[in-house]
Amino acid sequence: GQQLNQSPQSMFIQEGEDVSMNCTSSSIFNTWLWYKQDPGEGPVLLIALYKAGELTSNGRLTAQFGITRKDSFLNISASIPSDVGIYFCAGERAGGTSYGKLTFGQGTILTVHP
Amino acid sequence: KAGVTQTPRYLIKTRGQQVTLSCSPISGHRSVSWYQQTPGQGLQFLFEYFSETQRNKGNFPGRFSGRQFSNSRSEMNVSTLELGDSALYLCASSSGVSGNTIYFGEGSWLTVV
Repeated sequence: GQQLNQSPQSMFIQEGEDVSMNCTSSSIFNTWLWYKQDPGEGPVLLIALYKAGELTSNGRLTAQFGITRKDSFLNISASIPSDVGIYFCAGERAGGTSYGKLTFGQGTILTVHP
Repeated sequence: KAGVTQTPRYLIKTRGQQVTLSCSPISGHRSVSWYQQTPGQGLQFLFEYFSETQRNKGNFPGRFSGRQFSNSRSEMNVSTLELGDSALYLCASSSGVSGNTIYFGEGSWLTVV
């Protein structure tokens, strides 16, 4: 099925470093969501974005909804070991047959070395 | 408030059997979506229900079906299980309107042997 283009696929960083990941699509989305998933668990919502150009923060996390509505990025500042996990972007189109249907990126595997 | 609850968490089935998974959404949420997650295909949308009606369906064979009850709880069923159906099945809950926030349960791990 269709997926968003998420990059990078994996990152190995030192504790304290900043992290940036992004998602792009050839289609327009009305909502962008960022999730973190730990092994064996379901995705946990980190940040939700609803308007083009919107910049939203949640603690050390910052995400933006691209102006073209075809992309989004997530930044994590001053990474800590518990940031380890898989990060997914997801987009939802508006109305019609798009309700509840999220299109996901392939995920970014983040490893943080103490 | 309580999150999205999925049962069972783990199960093992034999090829050819059928399985039913259950999902209780967040209180007040009327939309329930189901996703399949595998290492090879990632997260794939199965279907979405709102007020007991299927509004949206992904590209899965007819062996995958679902339903929603009047209390918004949902079940999905997979008949004639195949080895390739082994996956993490995730339920998501939302208010069901455009621009809403979607929350996931912890998932049901299905292994088909």
